[in-house]
Amino acid sequence: TQLLEQSPQFLSIQEGENLTVYCNSSSVFSSLQWYRQEPGEGPVLLVTVVTGGEVKKLKRLTFQFGDARKDSSLHITAAQPGDTGLYLCAGAGGATNKLIFGTGTLLAVQP
Amino acid sequence: GAVVSQHPSRVICKSGTSVKIECRSLDFQATTMFWYRQFPKQSLMLMATSNEGSKATYEQGVEKDKFLINHASLTLSTLTVTSAHPEDSSFYICSARAQRGLRFGYTFGSGTRLTVV
Repeated sequence: TQLLEQSPQFLSIQEGENLTVYCNSSSVFSSLQWYRQEPGEGPVLLVTVVTGGEVKKLKRLTFQFGDARKDSSLHITAAQPGDTGLYLCAGAGGATNKLIFGTGTLLAVQP
Repeated sequence: GAVVSQHPSRVICKSGTSVKIECRSLDFQATTMFWYRQFPKQSLMLMATSNEGSKATYEQGVEKDKFLINHASLTLSTLTVTSAHPEDSSFYICSARAQRGLRFGYTFGSGTRLTVV
């Protein structure tokens, strides 16, 4: 079974602070995605990374895929209250390309 | 862009009854759909992979006789929770997979909040 461990599990910070969320696995994935989810809604795709070592930026968010395609990180610069939510990494792979989600990181940004 | 419609968004049912949740891909064909379950403040747990025209593939620990999945067309998959009990109360989310170039894209429904009383 593919497992994706995220850390930290919970994070409460002040507006303006920086943070990094990690997503680690012992399995190799053909692609890895990051999602943000609000309560009572489906997850919303933020980014897809497919190449080992790849770095993608989305405004204040920076995503990195590990060289071995087993891990990834999400860095948020100058966090804002609107960034509050559940952040999920998800890896796709295997014969069926099913999407397996990480354990999740619940972020709260205080104004 | 690709849109997945999931209904109902909320349902309350009595213990022992069955509930059907629908997942439709509105503007694309999805040969494969996935069903997830999510408890409060936790991640999404994959329950099963639904393939059009064939039997669903269930993840370890998921009872196939309790969570019936039907994927009769390229745009519709249904999940039926049979003989529901309070412990089945959860947030259920579907996802449809579509080929985009050499990669796959995954589009999620907005989820169904099931409460069994």
